[in-house]
Amino acid sequence: AQSVTQPDIHITVSEGASLELRCNYSYGATPYLFWYVQSPGQGLQLLLKYFSGDTLVQGIKGFEAEFKRSQSSFNLRKPSVHWSDAAEYFCAVGARGGGNKLTFGTGTQLKVEL
Amino acid sequence: DTAVSQTPKYLVTQMGNDKSIKCEQNLGHDTMYWYKQDSKKFLKIMFSYNNKELIINETVPNRFSPKSPDKAHLNLHINSLELGDSAVYFCASSQDPNYGYTFGSGTRLTVV
Repeated sequence: AQSVTQPDIHITVSEGASLELRCNYSYGATPYLFWYVQSPGQGLQLLLKYFSGDTLVQGIKGFEAEFKRSQSSFNLRKPSVHWSDAAEYFCAVGARGGGNKLTFGTGTQLKVEL
Repeated sequence: DTAVSQTPKYLVTQMGNDKSIKCEQNLGHDTMYWYKQDSKKFLKIMFSYNNKELIINETVPNRFSPKSPDKAHLNLHINSLELGDSAVYFCASSQDPNYGYTFGSGTRLTVV
């Protein structure tokens, strides 16, 4: 069974600073990997995804993530954070087959200091 | 047009009541899901239907019963509500695992 670990429960960064949110996954084959963002009181919005090919993927709102098979990681990055990026971020892993089930990490809450 | 819509957005009810949450998607996706998000924001899959057929049924009390009248709708009925059922319930749909899910905006259920 697949699993996801997001080691950081809370992260605080200053506006304009760079950001990296960590995600480690466990899965026996090449997984599908996703990052979602949840603003307060809202549903989840897909930021970016990886399923094959180039290991550096670009997403919406200036985010990118890099798949590193050797480290079983899929960290999310942004070079310059905006105050509106404050939200909860979820990493998710999907198994190929098996009903397209996504398993989510426990989330990282991002706070942005002005 | 909202891609995945859930109703109601908020639901406050007493213990022991029976309630339903409705979900509809207009994306033409074949697969729909129910996820539960607890107070610590942890998201856990409950059910998944593919073309009206149940394909995922995680360890969920049998007080929870999904119903899919057609592939565009997946409703969740909960009998004998308990305090521990208080959570945000998200509906989602997908067509292809490559593209992830599209989520609804959630239903916040509060059992008092």
